[in-house]
Amino acid sequence: DVKVTQSSRYLVKRTGEKVFLECVQDMDHENMFWYRQDPGLGLRLIYFSYDVKMKEKGDIPEGYSVSREKKERFSLILESASTNQTSMYLCASSLPQSRRGGYTFGSGTRLTVV
Amino acid sequence: DQQVKQNSPSLSVQEGRISILNCDYTNSMFDYFLWYKKYPAEGPTFLISISSIKDKNEDGRFTVFLNKSAKHLSLHIVPSQPGDSAVYFCAASRGTNTGNQFYFGTGTSLTVIP
Repeated sequence: DVKVTQSSRYLVKRTGEKVFLECVQDMDHENMFWYRQDPGLGLRLIYFSYDVKMKEKGDIPEGYSVSREKKERFSLILESASTNQTSMYLCASSLPQSRRGGYTFGSGTRLTVV
Repeated sequence: DQQVKQNSPSLSVQEGRISILNCDYTNSMFDYFLWYKKYPAEGPTFLISISSIKDKNEDGRFTVFLNKSAKHLSLHIVPSQPGDSAVYFCAASRGTNTGNQFYFGTGTSLTVIP
């Protein structure tokens, strides 16, 4: 089974802190994605990556950056956490040319910024 | 601009009855559609998909219908069970050379009442 692992299930950080959310997948997928899920807003794409060292902005990249130094790992960085970044963060991966089955998601990280 | 819309944020259905979840999209280039199911504190899991060359796809209790002219798809769950209580997201994509980005709806929270 494809596995996408997010390092933390729950995280509490202070305003202004630099926050790292880690995601690792074990199926050699080229594509990786970071979403946030908020009530009434669904899943919104923050950043995605089609290959190592490549990154593309999604719909809501402001206040975030990403790093993909290795194929299996995609990190989301909150440069200076703010309370409006309190959310559920979901990482996903997929093969580039196969849409069958869509993405495989991790279990999510519930981030609270106080 | 939301390209995939789920206009009903919530739905309640009695156990054993049919659940119908609806989804509309605006981009006529979308040609592959998915439904995901999400329990609280878990990542979304793939449920069922449909390609634009079909108008119906069935998998056990789950059937997805696609009406391309209306840019509308629906998920039917028959019979509904309490374990089906979850948030359901529809997603759509169009084939591209660089990857398979999916666009997600805002989700419908289904409650199946025993």
